[in-house]
Amino acid sequence: GAVVSQHPSRVICKSGTSVKIECRSLDFQATTMFWYRQFPKQSLMLMATSNEGSKATYEQGVEKDKFLINHASLTLSTLTVTSAHPEDSSFYICSANDRGNEQFFGPGTRLTVL
Amino acid sequence: KQEVTQIPAALSVPEGENLVLNCSFTDSAIYNLQWFRQDPGKGLTSLLLIQSSQREQTSGRLNASLDKSSGRSTLYIAASQPGDSATYLCAVSTVETSGSRLTFGEGTQLTVNP
Repeated sequence: GAVVSQHPSRVICKSGTSVKIECRSLDFQATTMFWYRQFPKQSLMLMATSNEGSKATYEQGVEKDKFLINHASLTLSTLTVTSAHPEDSSFYICSANDRGNEQFFGPGTRLTVL
Repeated sequence: KQEVTQIPAALSVPEGENLVLNCSFTDSAIYNLQWFRQDPGKGLTSLLLIQSSQREQTSGRLNASLDKSSGRSTLYIAASQPGDSATYLCAVSTVETSGSRLTFGEGTQLTVNP
């Protein structure tokens, strides 16, 4: 099956620093990737849809200047949390669309901001 | 706006029991429906995907049904085992210009007691 990787799997940083998370589709090309956030004991909430070569589409209430998304190639999308604060601590999960419109999920990145 | 509801929120059963998890969605214009499993602190594992034209899918001890017109799906787990303990998420897919979009339910936290 299609495999999606995320790096890093876990990151701890100080308040005010920026953190970059990578999402890669390993064995297929993904024209669209999605970024989700999951707070403890809650479900996944879509943050943004990332299309290769164009600007990401953000969900209502998600600050595009804080969560920078770059989808520079058909196998890589990055999410940068700029000037991270403790309230940004969460589990960030990406997914990628294959041609059949099925989404394949990465293993997630646990962000802890001190 | 699509809304997905899962009942019950939590379920505890003795090992060996058969059980049913429920999922309902408000907009029947879906592309497909997926059931996922999530272990604590981990990413998502896709269990079953049902296309909108299908009524059910089976994999081992798992059977998922879909009644699109009534906006319902069930996940049936036969002969439950302690290893089945996890959170089960239902997600419906709609197709938009940017690609498929998944809307998740809040999940059912299942505990199977030995």
